[in-house]
Amino acid sequence: DQQVKQNSPSLSVQEGRISILNCDYTNSMFDYFLWYKKYPAEGPTFLISISSIKDKNEDGRFTVFLNKSAKHLSLHIVPSQPGDSAVYFCAASAAYNTDKLIFGTGTRLQVFP
Amino acid sequence: NAGVTQTPKFQVLKTGQSMTLQCAQDMNHNSMYWYRQDPGMGLRLIYYSASEGTTDKGEVPNGYNVSRLNKREFSLRLESAAPSQTSVYFCASGYEAFFGQGTRLTVV
Repeated sequence: DQQVKQNSPSLSVQEGRISILNCDYTNSMFDYFLWYKKYPAEGPTFLISISSIKDKNEDGRFTVFLNKSAKHLSLHIVPSQPGDSAVYFCAASAAYNTDKLIFGTGTRLQVFP
Repeated sequence: NAGVTQTPKFQVLKTGQSMTLQCAQDMNHNSMYWYRQDPGMGLRLIYYSASEGTTDKGEVPNGYNVSRLNKREFSLRLESAAPSQTSVYFCASGYEAFFGQGTRLTVV
């Protein structure tokens, strides 16, 4: 039972345009959400996070939006750059067990010139 | 500043062999994790350790054991390797999960 889902395995975006990566979750107890970026042959690296008390968090070109009622979050990258080409994972944890971080299946983003 | 260090980086095992994957972190984190990454499956949590002396099962613990040797080290053991355990294994530590470089394991 996949508690964190990324339904788009891949996304292709032109350089300079917006990339929107989506993530859905089923566990209503999740209250902290994170995005990671992964390049081939490397470990994932933390990108940005959001807690359930907020509906938006911004860090430079990256913004994460959270819609608790829909159990949905999204990562916006504006403007997209070729160096953003990677696999993006969303992850979630619950307040009752912040140490148990559950990941989605990932979305491969390709940014082309 | 090493962060999270995993050894080995690559390993080939025969079915039934055992091995231990090592992980060490130098960031003084309480929590540590072991994940496996498989195509189309994302990152799945095998075991985690909230603090020194405690370990808990994740989503896919069968066939694995772990030891939290001290605050720095968290090892993952395969007692009798199976082809289904062919995967890339990642160790991570900390609340926002700093990851190591991964161990690519092939079981033949």
